[in-house]
Amino acid sequence: QVQLQESGPGLVKASQTLSLNCTVSGGSITSGSYYWSWIRQPAGKGLEWIGRIYGSGDTNYNPSLKSRVSMSVDTSKKQLSLNLRSVTAADTAIYYCTKVSGLHDAFDVWGQGAMVTVSS
Amino acid sequence: QSALTQTASVSGSPGQSITISCTGTSSDIGGYKYVSWYQQHPGKAPKLIIYDVSDRPSGISNRFSGSKSGNTASLTISGLQAEDEAEYYCTSFTSSSTWVFGGGTKLTVL
Repeated sequence: QVQLQESGPGLVKASQTLSLNCTVSGGSITSGSYYWSWIRQPAGKGLEWIGRIYGSGDTNYNPSLKSRVSMSVDTSKKQLSLNLRSVTAADTAIYYCTKVSGLHDAFDVWGQGAMVTVSS
Repeated sequence: QSALTQTASVSGSPGQSITISCTGTSSDIGGYKYVSWYQQHPGKAPKLIIYDVSDRPSGISNRFSGSKSGNTASLTISGLQAEDEAEYYCTSFTSSSTWVFGGGTKLTVL
């Protein structure tokens, strides 16, 4: 079964770019049966969908973040990447990488999450 | 896109049943079957417990059930157990090809 592991800096300075990777194991990163999403959660708050990416590289982003976010797939490394530009304290959160069932459009596998703090 | 509306908190005694509601619009919950529910224990990643409004993934207790009426989805937990105490989130696919989450409901088992 697919497992996900996020990695990246835990501390990012304001106005810089937040970059995270998600390593996929136990399954294909380009399967047509599922795709991938990033979701974040500020401390003590709810979940926010950031965007999704297919193994082909096609993407959809949350309109509220669209101007600052980009996602990509590295099939050779079996890694997904998230970049969020011009970060502020409001971007401090746990960032989750998820697998999305293509048949049911549900987030059925979650990584453990990566805590990212934006410092001034 | 506005967040789906969930009651902030709900409580129940062991053995009882509780229902958590999640209200959206015709552009999300009302328009699609892709409504799912997640359980999150403190310090843990969310876990899928209901997908496609009312289906359960393998391994999820049949004490968890989901339904939808118009623009409102509901999660019912029957036979409450102490381990059910957690935060619960709903989410729906939207007409903009995005997802929107509810604000979360904290379930306390008395």
